[in-house]
Order: sequence, then structure tokens, then C-alpha cells
Amino acid sequence: KAGVTQTPRYLIKTRGQQVTLSCSPISGHRSVSWYQQTPGQGLQFLFEYFSETQRNKGNFPGRFSGRQFSNSRSEMNVSTLELGDSALYLCASALGGNYGYTFGSGTRLTVV
Amino acid sequence: AQSVTQLDSQVPVFEEAPVELRCNYSSSVSVYLFWYVQYPNQGLQLLLKYLSGSTLVKGINGFEAEFNKSQTSFHLRKPSVHISDTAEYFCAVRGFAGGTSYGKLTFGQGTILTVHP
Repeated sequence: KAGVTQTPRYLIKTRGQQVTLSCSPISGHRSVSWYQQTPGQGLQFLFEYFSETQRNKGNFPGRFSGRQFSNSRSEMNVSTLELGDSALYLCASALGGNYGYTFGSGTRLTVV
Repeated sequence: AQSVTQLDSQVPVFEEAPVELRCNYSSSVSVYLFWYVQYPNQGLQLLLKYLSGSTLVKGINGFEAEFNKSQTSFHLRKPSVHISDTAEYFCAVRGFAGGTSYGKLTFGQGTILTVHP
């Protein structure tokens, strides 16, 4: 069974640009979460979606947004990129809240 | 709200020795507890989880963890480690208030386990 697929794997953007990251969850999983991972801050929660509804949101500025489609695929968007947005962005999916998440390999975003 | 503290940022150990990675949590509601492992340049892989029932949980790769509610701990153990266990390990907690009301999955800062030959 296919795992969680994140595209692209690597991305280099310039300050001020915007970026969209994509996540395809495991078939049948309706819960998708996004995390930002940096050496200094560790794993920081961005948001969680379940059946197209945002269930939880982390403490990130409004430049960070996300959405989930009817097929459970999810996207996150970061507008007006800053150097500090450079990180590994991880997507994870689960059947529901009381299940462990399966993570994708992440998208490595570098802002220059 | 909940929080997770992993008490050791780095744990060096020799091959075939036992290891314990310590995790404490705080939460005002009931919790689910998880341990994940991350190898370099990869995502996180679920090692084991505690949802309810027996407080001793067995996971993949010979790892196990014990949930201690009174001490709010969920320490990870392995009786004999291998070189291939070298990785970063994350403890995570998710609060739930009943029904389908779940909080976010909160991670600790990670413990780097280095197994030496």
C-alpha cells in the first residue's frame, strides 16, 4: 500500500515569493496534519484537517495556510516567504484521531 | 493544552547494551502517547503507541515503552541495541476530551541515540 506522498521533495525559493506544497495521504486516511521541522525549534505543528475541515491550528502567522480536498489530498501554502521559513515540512495522515500518524518523507524548503 | 519533555538530548551507548530514552508529559485531559523514530533525511516512523489498556506497550524493532500515569512518563526501552538503531527519537502526546474531540499531536524536542561499536 502506498505511503504518504509529498511533492516536491526539494524546493528553493526567493524571499517574498510564495510556495505551495502538496500531500497525498494513504488511501482511506481522512486526517492530514502538517509540521515544520527545524534544528532550532524541532517539530512545530502547523494545522490538521479532517474531512476537509480544519480541526486544529498551530501558532504560525497568517502567511501559512492550508486546505484539504474531497479526496483527502492536502496542500499548504506559504506566502511572502522569509529566510526563517527554510525548513523540512512534513505531512502526516491517519484514519482518525486515536491512530498513530504515518509521515511522508517531507519537502525540504530553502528560502534564499 | 499538553506538553512533552524528553529529558536527554543525546544518548550514546555501546552496541548490545540496553537503552532507555526518557519522556515526561503534562496534560489537563486524557492522552494518547507515541514514540517515533527519524533516520537522516527521512520522515518519522511510528515505533509504538499507547491508547489504553496494558501500560506496557511493545513496538517494532524490539522497542517497548511503559506508561506511568502517576509519574506522567512514557519511557522507551530496548534491551539490546544495534548500530542500525542510531537515529533521532521523538516522544509525542495527543490529548482527547472524549468523542471526537482531539488536540494536536505535540512532539518533544527529540533524543539522538548514537550506538557505538
